[in-house]
Amino acid sequence: DVKVTQSSRYLVKRTGEKVFLECVQDMDHENMFWYRQDPGLGLRLIYFSYDVKMKEKGDIPEGYSVSREKKERFSLILESASTNQTSMYLCASNRRTGDTGELFFGEGSRLTVL
Amino acid sequence: SQQGEEDPQALSIQEGENATMNCSYKTSINNLQWYRQNSGRGLVHLILIRSNEREKHSGRLRVTLDTSKKSSSLLITASRAADTASYFCATEYNTDKLIFGTGTRLQVFP
Repeated sequence: DVKVTQSSRYLVKRTGEKVFLECVQDMDHENMFWYRQDPGLGLRLIYFSYDVKMKEKGDIPEGYSVSREKKERFSLILESASTNQTSMYLCASNRRTGDTGELFFGEGSRLTVL
Repeated sequence: SQQGEEDPQALSIQEGENATMNCSYKTSINNLQWYRQNSGRGLVHLILIRSNEREKHSGRLRVTLDTSKKSSSLLITASRAADTASYFCATEYNTDKLIFGTGTRLQVFP
């Protein structure tokens, strides 16, 4: 069964801490994405990557960075967590076809920053 | 923002009734997709309709697309309690990027 796995379902961090959110997919997908989801705002794209070591900013990249050292793994980094980064974070992946196809999502990581 | 908008924000119906959700978007698209999200979980893909298609079916789901009005609708027929979830439309306006709407929360009462 194809899977996108996010390392932590729930995290609680303090303001100023460095936070790593890990995502691994087993489908050999080229594209990987990080979204955050907030009530009333839907899903907003933070960063995406279409290949190893490649990254592109989404709509709300401020305060975040990403790393893609291996094809199957895409990490989201909060260098210095702030309370306004409390949110649900969703990782997704799909195949690069020239026409965006189905996105496969992980179960989400709910981050609380105190 | 290119973000789409779903309408209504919330919908409550009885089992057996049909549920219709609408999505409007702002720019020309390559395709439009619908996703479902159970509470606290990730999103699951339901159906994709391309810009040159007008209607598509998958089981109890029927999706229409009107590119002249920049809108789409998702119809769930003969709804079940298990259909209770949030439903999101997503539009591809640029290769490899999907922009999601704010979602419709559907509650189906037994």
